[in-house]
Formats: sequence, C-alpha cells, structure tokens
Amino acid sequence: NAGVTQTPKFRILKIGQSMTLQCAQDMNHNYMYWYRQDPGMGLKLIYYSVGAGITDKGEVPNGYNVSRSTTEDFPLRLELAAPSQTSVYFCASNRQGVVNTEAFFGQGTRLTVV
Amino acid sequence: KNEVEQSPQNLTAQEGEFITINCSYSVGISALHWLQQHPGGGIVSLFMLSSGKKKHGRLIATINIQEKHSSLHITASHPRDSAVYICAVIKGAQKLVFGQGTRLTINP
Repeated sequence: NAGVTQTPKFRILKIGQSMTLQCAQDMNHNYMYWYRQDPGMGLKLIYYSVGAGITDKGEVPNGYNVSRSTTEDFPLRLELAAPSQTSVYFCASNRQGVVNTEAFFGQGTRLTVV
Repeated sequence: KNEVEQSPQNLTAQEGEFITINCSYSVGISALHWLQQHPGGGIVSLFMLSSGKKKHGRLIATINIQEKHSSLHITASHPRDSAVYICAVIKGAQKLVFGQGTRLTINP
C-alpha cells in the first residue's frame, strides 16, 4: 500500500510565486489534513477536510488554499509565496478523525521561499 | 506557554538503556497520540490512548488523564530507535495540538 503520498519532496520558490503541494491517499480515508512544521515548533494545522467537497480552516490558514474534489486527493495551494511559508509540510489522513483512529502521514515536503 | 510540553527536548543514551519521554498538557483532552519522526522526516503513529497503558513490542505508553500527563517508555533501546518522538493531544473536534518533540539518540 502506498498510504499517503506527497509531492514534491523538496521545492525552492521565489517570493511571489505560486505552487501546489500534492497529497493523495489510497486508504479511502474521509479525513485529511495539512500541517506545517517549523524548526523547534510543534506541527500546526493549516486546513483539514472531513470528506470530498468539505474543507475547513485550521490554526494557520492564511496564505493557503485547499480543495477536496475527490476522497483521494487534497492539494494545498500557495498563491503568493512569502519567506514566512518556508517550512516542512505534512499531509495526513485517517478514517474517522483524530479522536478515534491513528493518523497516517506523508513523507513531507520541504519548501524554501527565497 | 505551549499547551503541550515535552521533556526532555534532547536525550542521548547508550544502547540497552531504558528510555522515558514525558508529555504534559494544560488543556482538557479526549485522547493523546504518540508519533515517531524518522531522521528522513517521515512521521509514523505509534500509539493512540485515552486511558491506562498500551504496549507494542519494546514501546510502552501510559496516560494519566487526571494529572494531564503521558509517558513513552522504550525498553532495551537500540540505535534504530533514534528519532524525534512527538506527543499530540486531541483538543476539540479534529484538532491535534502537538508538542515540540523529543530528539532521541541511542549510541551503540
């Protein structure tokens, strides 16, 4: 099983550029999440989705957008990249939400904005 | 002050030692996750628990909801246990609040 697949693994962006971080899971999970991990800090929730067509903001949504047109895919869009968005991004999914079941994480995308 | 505090932040030990990583939290929760982040960056879920104790191989996790404290123990530690261990508490619906992680290094 592939689990949760994130692409790309690494990316360097210039200020003002845009990009989409891809996330796909093959476990038929309803719940999907995007987190960012800054050095020395805990992961912070950016956006999450409880099913296709439904998304909601997390703790740090500013500067990001998401969509969930299918159960499998949950892309994260950065429209105008800023140095403050330099971070490692993790996508995660689980079956019934974080209260009930373990979460599965992707390998992460290391993004640098210069 | 962070809602979830882990201690120690860094821990170096010799192979075979018994390891304890602590997690204290200041909010009401329904359950707690322990995660392992490998040197390559990937994150793996180790345990989810809401009471008592769980054991998986050499790993043991305990939680005391009343004292707002959880511990992760590793028995007979091995260099392959070297990783960052992360505690995350479930606060409200669908929100995990993460500790900053404990970096564990086991020397042969």
